[in-house]
Amino acid sequence: NAGVTQTPKFQVLKTGQSMTLQCAQDMNHNSMYWYRQDPGMGLRLIYYSASEGTTDKGEVPNGYNVSRLNKREFSLRLESAAPSQTSVYFCASSISIAGGNNEQFFGPGTRLTVL
Amino acid sequence: KNQVEQSPQSLIILEGKNCTLQCNYTVSPFSNLRWYKQDTGRGPVSLTIMTFSENTKSNGRYTATLDADTKQSSLHITASQLSDSASYICVVSAYQAGTALIFGKGTTLSVSS
Repeated sequence: NAGVTQTPKFQVLKTGQSMTLQCAQDMNHNSMYWYRQDPGMGLRLIYYSASEGTTDKGEVPNGYNVSRLNKREFSLRLESAAPSQTSVYFCASSISIAGGNNEQFFGPGTRLTVL
Repeated sequence: KNQVEQSPQSLIILEGKNCTLQCNYTVSPFSNLRWYKQDTGRGPVSLTIMTFSENTKSNGRYTATLDADTKQSSLHITASQLSDSASYICVVSAYQAGTALIFGKGTTLSVSS
């Protein structure tokens, strides 16, 4: 099993460009998440999907959109990239969002630079 | 406000030495607490999970403790190895609608030879 995979690993964008970060998991998990990690800030939740067909905002959703394409895939879209979105983006999945089944398994991350 | 505070922010120790990382939280109602290890350039990986009724849990050379009364947890690393160099993140889960994970900012541990 590959676990959680993310593409691309690295990306450089110019201000105003758009792009989609892809995430897939092969663990049959119901819940998926997108985080960003900035130096000194820790992990911050952007959006999450508790189950297929649902998505909800996290702590820092502005400037992002998400799509839960199916149970396996959860994508994050930047419509008009800004330098403030320079960060490392992590996708994660878990069996569910609550209780003892909420252990999250993380992907390797996407390092995004917006010039 | 639900918060998780970790200390120290960073730590340098010699290989073979022990160390203890601290986590204080103000999350309510409490569900569970996890410690994650994040190697440089990688995603976090869960080390331990503790629920309200558990005081201690071990995973190899890693031992986590939980005091639910004082809302404190610690992660003790025994006989440190160079591979222990990483960021250690305390994550507390609350019972509430929606995802309720509150992340600490992490402690960066450097083990030198």
